[in-house]
Amino acid sequence: DSGVTQTPKHLITATGQRVTLRCSPRSGDLSVYWYQQSLDQGLQFLIQYYNGEERAKGNILERFSAQQFPDLHSELNLSSLELGDSALYFCASSPSGNTNEKLFFGSGTQLSVL
Amino acid sequence: GQQVMQIPQYQHVQEGEDFTTYCNSSTTLSNIQWYKQRPGGHPVFLIQLVKSGEVKKQKRLTFQFGEAKKNSSLHITATQTTDVGTYFCAGPSNQFYFGTGTSLTVIP
Repeated sequence: DSGVTQTPKHLITATGQRVTLRCSPRSGDLSVYWYQQSLDQGLQFLIQYYNGEERAKGNILERFSAQQFPDLHSELNLSSLELGDSALYFCASSPSGNTNEKLFFGSGTQLSVL
Repeated sequence: GQQVMQIPQYQHVQEGEDFTTYCNSSTTLSNIQWYKQRPGGHPVFLIQLVKSGEVKKQKRLTFQFGEAKKNSSLHITATQTTDVGTYFCAGPSNQFYFGTGTSLTVIP
């Protein structure tokens, strides 16, 4: 158990809809990362937050947004969903968000857009 | 942006054979990390290399960081079925970029 909690584990929705994925980092970790993993694909970095502030942005679509709340949990909002958004979404956390820290991953949310 | 490429993308080996995956970056890395993702699982941190030319071992796994800090390799000696999974390198700059991954299948 990495200590990172993601909910829900599975999500099935239709095209055009909006969903929210939730992540609770390990106790004490201030930084949260979101990654997208499509079938047989690598881990695409989406966005990073540190203590409530956006720190780095990767290949995140404009239809996607995220935030980190004062209690340090984070939410990834996906809107106007398309079939191609079907993927496994991982959240990871680290203590300070420094690049020499290892990441602890949650179990992921499997999103299926039908 | 920074790119971290891994080869091969897929590797099938007979149990007991050795396995190596290579990671190459377009830019110099401050450090490199390796993760393993079991089928149906999430990535789990294996090791971090920081120094140029560094070599670290974990039982049957040997990790190397290139002299120019632009490449790295993971070598598994005498693979076992428990080694099955996808191995990712991660080369952080201002973001955590993961390599494309190498999926290892071990045939009993």
